[in-house]
Amino acid sequence: EPEVTQTPSHQVTQMGQEVILRCVPISNHLYFYWYRQILGQKVEFLVSFYNNEISEKSEIFDDQFSVERPDGSNFTLKIRSTKLEDSAMYFCASRAAGSLGGKLFFGSGTQLSVL
Amino acid sequence: SQELEQSPQSLIVQEGKNLTINCTSSKTLYGLYWYKQKYGEGLIFLMMLQKGGEEKSHEKITAKLDEKKQQSSLHITASQPSHAGIYLCGAAQGAQKLVFGQGTRLTINP
Repeated sequence: EPEVTQTPSHQVTQMGQEVILRCVPISNHLYFYWYRQILGQKVEFLVSFYNNEISEKSEIFDDQFSVERPDGSNFTLKIRSTKLEDSAMYFCASRAAGSLGGKLFFGSGTQLSVL
Repeated sequence: SQELEQSPQSLIVQEGKNLTINCTSSKTLYGLYWYKQKYGEGLIFLMMLQKGGEEKSHEKITAKLDEKKQQSSLHITASQPSHAGIYLCGAAQGAQKLVFGQGTRLTINP
């Protein structure tokens, strides 16, 4: 069964450093998302991406964040200068065209720890 | 903005027992999604409800959306260890965004 793959599963970084979280969505999916979950809090939307551009972003997704689909298979989330409060589990998700808007396929997540 | 509240926050049941998880929205729901999350894994889509009074079932899990479209319930019949995990309800906000409840942690005791 096709799945969304995220790497690395854990990332530890120093405050102020740049991190790139990587995702390989399901191959025929056209909509891509990043969500995050701070420990003990709700899963929250960061950004959606379609047709090589951001279609929607949350207030959390400020200038420190960026997303990219550098080739036909990868989807990345970059945090330019990490802060302590960026520590969270980051989930990538994808969706097929024509499917229900909320029927997403999630990866297993990258646990980001900012020290 | 739309808020989803789930109850209970955690639930421990004996294997074989039935259970219900509730999700209440602060606004009318135009698409209510149920997901399950196992530890160390991502969220897995279970079901989607859209119409008032709608009910869907998959194996031993039944989800309902009330007529007013502000409350949903997830019912598990004859629970099994495989049902253990965190259940989240999510509401569609626009075409591209899901807002989630805080989750209900379900433990099944043998």
